[in-house]
Amino acid sequence: EPEVTQTPSHQVTQMGQEVILRCVPISNHLYFYWYRQILGQKVEFLVSFYNNEISEKSEIFDDQFSVERPDGSNFTLKIRSTKLEDSAMYFCASSQTGDGYTFGSGTRLTVV
Amino acid sequence: QKEVEQNSGPLSVPEGAIASLNCTYSDRGSQSFFWYRQYSGKSPELIMFIYSNGDKEDGRFTAQLNKASQYVSLLIRDSQPSDSATYLCAVRRRNNQGGKLIFGQGTELSVKP
Repeated sequence: EPEVTQTPSHQVTQMGQEVILRCVPISNHLYFYWYRQILGQKVEFLVSFYNNEISEKSEIFDDQFSVERPDGSNFTLKIRSTKLEDSAMYFCASSQTGDGYTFGSGTRLTVV
Repeated sequence: QKEVEQNSGPLSVPEGAIASLNCTYSDRGSQSFFWYRQYSGKSPELIMFIYSNGDKEDGRFTAQLNKASQYVSLLIRDSQPSDSATYLCAVRRRNNQGGKLIFGQGTELSVKP
């Protein structure tokens, strides 16, 4: 079964450093998303991406965050200057039709 | 008021019983409703989605939607220990493809052998 692949599975970074989280969505999918889940809390929407542009973003997705689809297969989330509160599990998701999308296995980001 | 509200549980049922998971939402404009299962430390897996009032069945799972009461539920028949997980209710506000999902906190289900 097709999968959404995320790398790395775990990233530890120092506060203030830039991180890039990488995702390879399912190949024929058109809609791409980033969500995050702080430990013990609910899954929160960050950003959606369709037709090579951001279609929606949350209040969490401030100027420190950016997304890119550099080569037609990868989908990246960049955090420019990480804060302690950015520590969370980050999930990439994709969908062919915009319904019921598939999540990747996640990247656990730890900011120290 | 929380946008999507679920009883955090844990809900404990014996093996073979019916587990009933409930979810309420605050936005009357919500159009699409999703149930995900999340094992500890893993990503959410889609179980099913429902758009219309009434019941929708898929194997051992039945989703029920009542838009007038702003209520969604998931029934799991013949519960198995492998069903033990956190069940996430998610709501999409508008009937636009690709719109964001708003998740509830999740209900932890424990199925005892």
